[in-house]
Amino acid sequence: GENVEQHPSTLSVQEGDSAVIKCTYSDSASNYFPWYKQELGKRPQLIIDIRSNVGEKKDQRIAVTLNKTAKHFSLHITETQPEDSAVYFCAAVDSGGGADGLTFGKGTHLIIQP
Amino acid sequence: DAGVIQSPRHEVTEMGQEVTLRCKPISGHNSLFWYRQTMMRGLELLIYFNNNVPIDDSGMPEDRFSAKMPNASFSTLKIQPSEPRDSAVYFCASSFDPTSGLEQYFGPGTRLTVT
Repeated sequence: GENVEQHPSTLSVQEGDSAVIKCTYSDSASNYFPWYKQELGKRPQLIIDIRSNVGEKKDQRIAVTLNKTAKHFSLHITETQPEDSAVYFCAAVDSGGGADGLTFGKGTHLIIQP
Repeated sequence: DAGVIQSPRHEVTEMGQEVTLRCKPISGHNSLFWYRQTMMRGLELLIYFNNNVPIDDSGMPEDRFSAKMPNASFSTLKIQPSEPRDSAVYFCASSFDPTSGLEQYFGPGTRLTVT
């Protein structure tokens, strides 16, 4: 089965600086890579995703890059703001025509220092 | 749309009791997922259904856990008998046909405490 490793487990950055969270996956057949943000006591919510046919995707201050050869993908948040403080989860799945369950990384607690 | 609905939001029960968690997916979604979240193990997939049919239940921890989806708008996750180590937040998620999008929408979760 798929195994997703996520680093770091905790990341503290100054407000306005950039944050980068990295994930690796083991199953070369995985083709869909979402990132979820979870605030304390709330549900995970999708913030950005990427499919294996592209190398990069950007949405305002957040971007995701994918390196299929190395089997790793990263989340980049620029100009961080206090509301970015949360736990971020990466995930991977081999979605071969049917919706399949996600394998999640262990999460990164992002702390934005004022 | 109200989103994915889960009930109850909180459940406290004693060891050995039966627990039933309920989920109503977003109307029109044809895939439903049950996840469990703990500090130690993170977010884990327990089981998922496609068009009401269980596709992969390899994440179900043991025979004490069972899940059903009798129709497209309702699913249950049952634990019988419950144990303290089952304490966790249980999330239900649903998604639409994968040809249109793979995004999984999570419900608010059920926080289960087994004493």
